[in-house]
Amino acid sequence: GAGVSQSPSNKVTEKGKDVELRCDPISGHTALYWYRQSLGQGLEFLIYFQGNSAPDKSGLPSDRFSAERTGGSVSTLTIQRTQQEDSAVYLCASSLEGVETQYFGPGTRLLVL
Amino acid sequence: AQSVTQPDIHITVSEGASLELRCNYSYGATPYLFWYVQSPGQGLQLLLKYFSGDTLVQGIKGFEAEFKRSQSSFNLRKPSVHWSDAAEYFCAVGAYNFNKFYFGSGTKLNVKP
Repeated sequence: GAGVSQSPSNKVTEKGKDVELRCDPISGHTALYWYRQSLGQGLEFLIYFQGNSAPDKSGLPSDRFSAERTGGSVSTLTIQRTQQEDSAVYLCASSLEGVETQYFGPGTRLLVL
Repeated sequence: AQSVTQPDIHITVSEGASLELRCNYSYGATPYLFWYVQSPGQGLQLLLKYFSGDTLVQGIKGFEAEFKRSQSSFNLRKPSVHWSDAAEYFCAVGAYNFNKFYFGSGTKLNVKP
């Protein structure tokens, strides 16, 4: 079956602009995670959605970052007023439930000029 | 606090040689344990996982890992490395009471011909 997909694959934006990153999880997966991977770094947890529960936003680095998940499926990560330090690869992963095995998308590479 | 440590940032091995990548974790109970591989420009692919049972687990591409509770370790091994194994490897802990994953900072593997 189809895996996790993310769009766009690459995004170049100017400092101060807003960006939206999209994630389509595997069908039937109730859990969805967003991570940020900066150059040469590991994965930084951003936000977690599980079913209809309130999301765990504890990893969002500032109030410029927000995410939503519509209908328990597609998720959008929004970064407002982008800064150069936001440049990174943003990875989305889904799992059947909770901390069952995560399946990752290919990521969105964001460059803020 | 939960954490995952991969002490080796870079490792170089010759093709055909054996490989061991180290992973230590800090968690208050027996965690779910994972190894992922990331090839350049790609998302993360699951190599293997440990939830319970036999502490030696087999994965894809000829990899295996052994969970050692007494050492809080989950080291990844491969008896004979192939040039296509050159990638970055991430160890992760699934903390089921927090519904979060914690990733190590990764080990970059270089394979010499």
